[in-house]
Amino acid sequence: AQKVTQAQTEISVVEKEDVTLDCVYETRDTTYYLFWYKQPPSGELVFLIRRNSFDEQNEISGRYSWNFQKSTSSFNFTITASQVVDSAVYFCALLGSNYQLIWGAGTKLIIKP
Amino acid sequence: NAGVTQTPKFQVLKTGQSMTLQCAQDMNHNSMYWYRQDPGMGLRLIYYSASEGTTDKGEVPNGYNVSRLNKREFSLRLESAAPSQTSVYFCASSEAVDRGTAFFGQGTRLTVV
Repeated sequence: AQKVTQAQTEISVVEKEDVTLDCVYETRDTTYYLFWYKQPPSGELVFLIRRNSFDEQNEISGRYSWNFQKSTSSFNFTITASQVVDSAVYFCALLGSNYQLIWGAGTKLIIKP
Repeated sequence: NAGVTQTPKFQVLKTGQSMTLQCAQDMNHNSMYWYRQDPGMGLRLIYYSASEGTTDKGEVPNGYNVSRLNKREFSLRLESAAPSQTSVYFCASSEAVDRGTAFFGQGTRLTVV
């Protein structure tokens, strides 16, 4: 069975702090993809990153970075120098051989000014 | 750029009524999807269409039907709405089914009373 766990239901930090959102996944597939999506208060879903199972290199995009570790089945997301506009619900998701995205329950991130 | 367009944005139904949610994408994507999002949960796949002319069940297909009308359009029908179908529905599209979902519509908030 495939599963995605985001153990942090809600995180609250003060602006400019760094914050890491955890994602742990389970799959028996050897080829799979991992995703992060952002859902701001307005409700839309914004694609952030897709990473395949064969690429364990860390990814950095501006203030965002992702750490993929197959050894611990984790795909964590770090926001550096957080801003109020980063406040949103963040979802981690897994795509396996059945072509169906399995989503975590999401982490609500609150950035206080 | 319209991307993925869903209609309507809001709908209230009485138990037993039927309705169709419409979705269209203008990105020439092959694959389209319907998800539902319930409070405190990630998205769950209802149905997907890997390519024009094909549809497959997702995680929670009961109570729903879909039609892939053409490459652009993918509709979701509730034949006899139930209160358990109160949710936010998202349509999405991707280049191919093995690339995951990258682009989402704005969502339809459906309430069944």
